[in-house]
Amino acid sequence: AQRVTQPEKLLSVFKGAPVELKCNYSYSGSPELFWYVQYSRQRLQLLLRHISRESIKGFTADLNKGETSFHLKKPFAQEEDSAMYYCALSRSSGDKLTFGTGTRLAVRP
Amino acid sequence: NAGVTQTPKFRILKIGQSMTLQCTQDMNHNYMYWYRQDPGMGLKLIYYSVGAGITDKGEVPNGYNVSRSTTEDFPLRLELAAPSQTSVYFCASSLGGGRANEKLFFGSGTQLSVL
Repeated sequence: AQRVTQPEKLLSVFKGAPVELKCNYSYSGSPELFWYVQYSRQRLQLLLRHISRESIKGFTADLNKGETSFHLKKPFAQEEDSAMYYCALSRSSGDKLTFGTGTRLAVRP
Repeated sequence: NAGVTQTPKFRILKIGQSMTLQCTQDMNHNYMYWYRQDPGMGLKLIYYSVGAGITDKGEVPNGYNVSRSTTEDFPLRLELAAPSQTSVYFCASSLGGGRANEKLFFGSGTQLSVL
């Protein structure tokens, strides 16, 4: 069965510092990876997906199949980035998402 | 569009009581899901549906039932509430399955306490 691991429950950084939220996965096939975000008092929403190779709100994530990782990165954190971040995996032929346990990012002024 | 609407937002149940969590979406999505979120445990899939009349179990289906009589509605039923079902419940929908362009739309959640 597939699994998603987010080793950090809380990541605290100062404004302007680089951010890296870690995500590792275990799956024998070719997965599709996603990052979802939940800002305070808002709904969980899609941030980005690996297949799109996009940058959203300055965040990027690269799928590293050798290390089975999909870390989320941003060079300069902003206070408005403070939120709960979830990494999620979908089997290439599947129809369900498996979520990690989430990392709370706190950006201090 | 309202998106995904869940009711109620909060509920306290006594052990052994039953209740239905309501979920409706107005985006004509085929797929709908129920997740529960326990502290520090992430989201776990309870049940999902790929279309009206079709439902299937997720990771943690015990103690729950679902039905999908229409495309819009996907209620979650707790028959005999237990303290282990204290959690935050999220309903979500998506246009299709877990493909490259998949995007889940979530409801605002229902906080349930069983005492």
